[in-house]
Amino acid sequence: SYGLTQPPSLSVSPGQTATITCSGDRLGDKYSSWYQQKPGQSPVLVVYHDTKRPSGIPERFSGSNSGNTATLTISGTQAMDEADYYCQAWYGSTAVFGGGTKLTVL
Amino acid sequence: QVHLQESGPGLVKPSQNLSLTCTVSGDSISSGSYYWTWIRQPAGKGLEWIGRFYPSGSTDYNSSLKSRVTISGDRSKNQFSLTLTSVTAADTAVYYCARVGQLLSLDYWGQGILVTVSS
Repeated sequence: SYGLTQPPSLSVSPGQTATITCSGDRLGDKYSSWYQQKPGQSPVLVVYHDTKRPSGIPERFSGSNSGNTATLTISGTQAMDEADYYCQAWYGSTAVFGGGTKLTVL
Repeated sequence: QVHLQESGPGLVKPSQNLSLTCTVSGDSISSGSYYWTWIRQPAGKGLEWIGRFYPSGSTDYNSSLKSRVTISGDRSKNQFSLTLTSVTAADTAVYYCARVGQLLSLDYWGQGILVTVSS
């Protein structure tokens, strides 16, 4: 079975750039998506098709994907960005999620 | 605006079947444009994909759950459903339904429903 690997946690100071990685076999050949989940809430799509942002998602959220690694970058991180972040990709007809990264904004 | 709402029992006994329904508004599951999917999340843990349903009737399932899972749709009610058989405590989780939208992203999610497996 396929797996996507994320760092369990990341801490940044307000205003800094947060970079969350997601590694998986030939992930660069797939399209990656990223979801933000705050405590007690449903996940929210923040990046899809590697680099696209849904309507309403701030420009500080961006993504990239190459080789075996997809990356979510949050520029000028704000306190409201503190959440769990999950990467996701389709391997054939199966959706695979990363284990999640808890982003703390200190 | 697309809205999804999960419904079903919050408590299921071990060895019984878990059955949940997702009611969709703002879109038609019959439109043929999207897949419809179920995901679950045990308390304090990550997201696990369960499977997806396409209006044509085709389905795909997580290989680890495939022997126990069925996802189906009811076009007349604009709903799709999840059945998980022979549940154990390990199936206790928040269950989400979602739309697999453009470019295969999960663009709309329900609020989730907590299902506890306990006697």
